[in-house]
Amino acid sequence: DQQVKQNSPSLSVQEGRISILNCDYTNSMFDYFLWYKKYPAEGPTFLISISSIKDKNEDGRFTVFLNKSAKHLSLHIVPSQPGDSAVYFCAASVYGGSQGNLIFGKGTKLSVKP
Amino acid sequence: DTAVSQTPKYLVTQMGNDKSIKCEQNLGHDTMYWYKQDSKKFLKIMFSYNNKELIINETVPNRFSPKSPDKAHLNLHINSLELGDSAVYFCASSLDRAAGNTIYFGEGSWLTVV
Repeated sequence: DQQVKQNSPSLSVQEGRISILNCDYTNSMFDYFLWYKKYPAEGPTFLISISSIKDKNEDGRFTVFLNKSAKHLSLHIVPSQPGDSAVYFCAASVYGGSQGNLIFGKGTKLSVKP
Repeated sequence: DTAVSQTPKYLVTQMGNDKSIKCEQNLGHDTMYWYKQDSKKFLKIMFSYNNKELIINETVPNRFSPKSPDKAHLNLHINSLELGDSAVYFCASSLDRAAGNTIYFGEGSWLTVV
């Protein structure tokens, strides 16, 4: 029972172009969403988050869009750089809940080619 | 300075053995977690401790026993290791148990049971 789904296991993009990573969720109680980035042999690191009161959050080259009606969020990276090559995990939780655990998707491996 | 550190990073052991993975965080956080990433790449929570008190215990075999001697440490002990325990185990921490806090992960411990 996957509550957070990342249906694309991999994505390849040319340097300088836009990378779009997608994520869907099924639990309507989720109201806080995060993206984590993971390099090989390292732990996931926090990238950007969005709460359900917003539909967009931007931080430099990274923008997360949230479509609550579709239970869908996406991460846009523009322009993409070779150093962005990593696995990106979408995660969700219930903000203000008493438990801080996150529910993760399976990840999408992004390859940015020079 | 490593914020969340876990040892060992790699561990190969035989079925039936007992092993421990240690975790320490120097962020002053109250809440610590153990996550497991299995062969299908799912990253799932196993346990969560808040100020040495267990607050999340997902359906994990009781061969897995977390121990928190103080709020900066959360060790994972596994008894009678099985082949299916082979996975990457990530320790993590957050400021407190409330959802919405960024979770900081360690680099992971690669456990291989042969």
